Amino acid sequence: GAGVSQSPRYKVAKRGQDVALRCDPISGHVSLFWYQQALGQGPEFLTYFQNEAQLDKSGLPSDRFFAERPEGSVSTLKIQRTQQEDSAVYLCASSQEGDTQYFGPGTRLTVL
Amino acid sequence: GENVEQHPSTLSVQEGDSAVIKCTYSDSASNYFPWYKQELGKGPQLIIDIRSNVGEKKDQRIAVTLNKTAKHFSLHITETQPEDSAVYFCAAPSGGSYIPTFGRGTSLIVHP
Repeated sequence: GAGVSQSPRYKVAKRGQDVALRCDPISGHVSLFWYQQALGQGPEFLTYFQNEAQLDKSGLPSDRFFAERPEGSVSTLKIQRTQQEDSAVYLCASSQEGDTQYFGPGTRLTVL
Repeated sequence: GENVEQHPSTLSVQEGDSAVIKCTYSDSASNYFPWYKQELGKGPQLIIDIRSNVGEKKDQRIAVTLNKTAKHFSLHITETQPEDSAVYFCAAPSGGSYIPTFGRGTSLIVHP
């Protein structure tokens, strides 16, 4: 079946611009996670949804980062007033029960 | 929170050799340990996982062993092939949480 999809795959933004990254989880998966992966590092947790409820947002680095999943399916990660340190790959993962997570291909964000 | 250490950071082997990657974790309540393979430009792909009620799990050329007393788990790849070349990540969630902490990754290079 279809896996997790993310769009766009690549995004270039000028410093100060707002960006929106989309995640389509595997159909029926209750849990959805966002991660940030810097070059040469492992994924770092940003936020977690169970259905439409955002249960944990402790990993969001600043109040410029905002995530939503209004209907419990598609999720959007929004970054306002982007800065160069926001450049990274943003990964989305979904899970049926929470522990076994399936990742999307990621969105590579470059902030100039 | 959970602290995960992964070694080595790079591993170079000849085709047909075995490869072993080791991880340690800090939270004794952790009970789920996945391993991911990440190829260039792609998201992490789950290759094998183990739960705390077993000590070893095998899937063809891949195996994972878990020592809960020592709080470490290892990935074993036998008869390596060039297509095994990738970055491998271990992960462990804190007990009672679905949010994993990832190791820093091991770059495996299999020379033909």
